[in-house]
Amino acid sequence: DTAVSQTPKYLVTQMGNDKSIKCEQNLGHDTMYWYKQDSKKFLKIMFSYNNKELIINETVPNRFSPKSPDKAHLNLHINSLELGDSAVYFCASSPVKGNEQFFGPGTRLTVL
Amino acid sequence: AQSVTQLDSQVPVFEEAPVELRCNYSSSVSVYLFWYVQYPNQGLQLLLKYLSGSTLVKGINGFEAEFNKSQTSFHLRKPSVHISDTAEYFCAVISGGYNKLIFGAGTRLAVHP
Repeated sequence: DTAVSQTPKYLVTQMGNDKSIKCEQNLGHDTMYWYKQDSKKFLKIMFSYNNKELIINETVPNRFSPKSPDKAHLNLHINSLELGDSAVYFCASSPVKGNEQFFGPGTRLTVL
Repeated sequence: AQSVTQLDSQVPVFEEAPVELRCNYSSSVSVYLFWYVQYPNQGLQLLLKYLSGSTLVKGINGFEAEFNKSQTSFHLRKPSVHISDTAEYFCAVISGGYNKLIFGAGTRLAVHP
């Protein structure tokens, strides 16, 4: 009965590869997010979808492409991976403006 | 644009001592403030939130925070910490109309026996 789940938990890959991270929430929330946490633990929002519509798109390389097939799922596809993409990626969801965001357990991406 | 400053990157404290983790935010007309905790190798868990109303907010695990509009602060406190409180603590503010969370750089709380 996990609220926000992500797969995989760990992802190790070579530079130049393409990879995807999947996120699912069973909370019935309309809004989902992707955050990146770097090696210094700094957290920054990347994208947000509201009911399958992209509403936040921060300054992120266009190698990163989010996709929301339905409001319970938000996936993150990364093309041509670079060393600097190594980080922990968190998915989150929330119901309405002003309410807390519920975070997934994170996906640790390591690019070699 | 909103910003959040956590004044201490690390706070070492002995078990059963009180602790305060400091957070300042950039001023705005309306502000929603949050404290999240991240235990090692885990996701973020909400400790408490301020949306409106009473400036003293109580959260889980015995934590509380006080919203101070004049000082633009939202410091987190606990009167007596446990070893299990060792974690990274993040202060965050909502910015803009799309629930975008802006995080501070985090404070590592290390509780020693």
